[in-house]
Amino acid sequence: KQEVTQIPAALSVPEGENLVLNCSFTDSAIYNLQWFRQDPGKGLTSLLLIQSSQREQTSGRLNASLDKSSGRSTLYIAASQPGDSATYLCAVRPPGSSNFGNEKLTFGTGTRLTIIP
Amino acid sequence: GAGVSQSPSNKVTEKGKDVELRCDPISGHTALYWYRQSLGQGLEFLIYFQGNSAPDKSGLPSDRFSAERTGGSVSTLTIQRTQQEDSAVYLCASSLVVFSGRGRNEQFFGPGTRLTVL
Repeated sequence: KQEVTQIPAALSVPEGENLVLNCSFTDSAIYNLQWFRQDPGKGLTSLLLIQSSQREQTSGRLNASLDKSSGRSTLYIAASQPGDSATYLCAVRPPGSSNFGNEKLTFGTGTRLTIIP
Repeated sequence: GAGVSQSPSNKVTEKGKDVELRCDPISGHTALYWYRQSLGQGLEFLIYFQGNSAPDKSGLPSDRFSAERTGGSVSTLTIQRTQQEDSAVYLCASSLVVFSGRGRNEQFFGPGTRLTVL
């Protein structure tokens, strides 16, 4: 059974610093990995999706890397801003054709990020 | 364009009552998912619909939970005889599933329905 872990559970950093969030998964056989942010009382916003054949994806100040063989992904946030404060979740999708319903995501426990002005 | 929408945004009910939660996926998305986010337990998969295929119900916690997807679009999650442990945020997501094996199949989430069972 796939298990996804995110460490630390909470992180506080001063504004302007670069930071790294970690995600690890026990079964390296994944189709893709997705990073989300969740603001208090809100749903999930997709940030980046990395296919299993890719090693990284970038969007603005965000860079996500994937090392499938070691079961790890990182989300790098450059020049952090107070608006980056949120809970960040990673989720993995199992391999296999969509015909067989292998679409359900397994989520990590999340990292609650606070950027201090 | 419009994203995934869910209604109601908040629902407070008494133990033992039935509730219905609604999800409107992104137009054209073939797949629809329900997840539950409980305090201290993270996000867990409940049920998945893909086109006209039989849904994957493997995540439903008990037979009090059921879901329908009418006309391949709107979905309703029904919880019968609600219990206090059903209190959670129920999230719906949709994606455009590509069967070629090379599609991203990225899931887009709605804002959720916060259910409180008293």
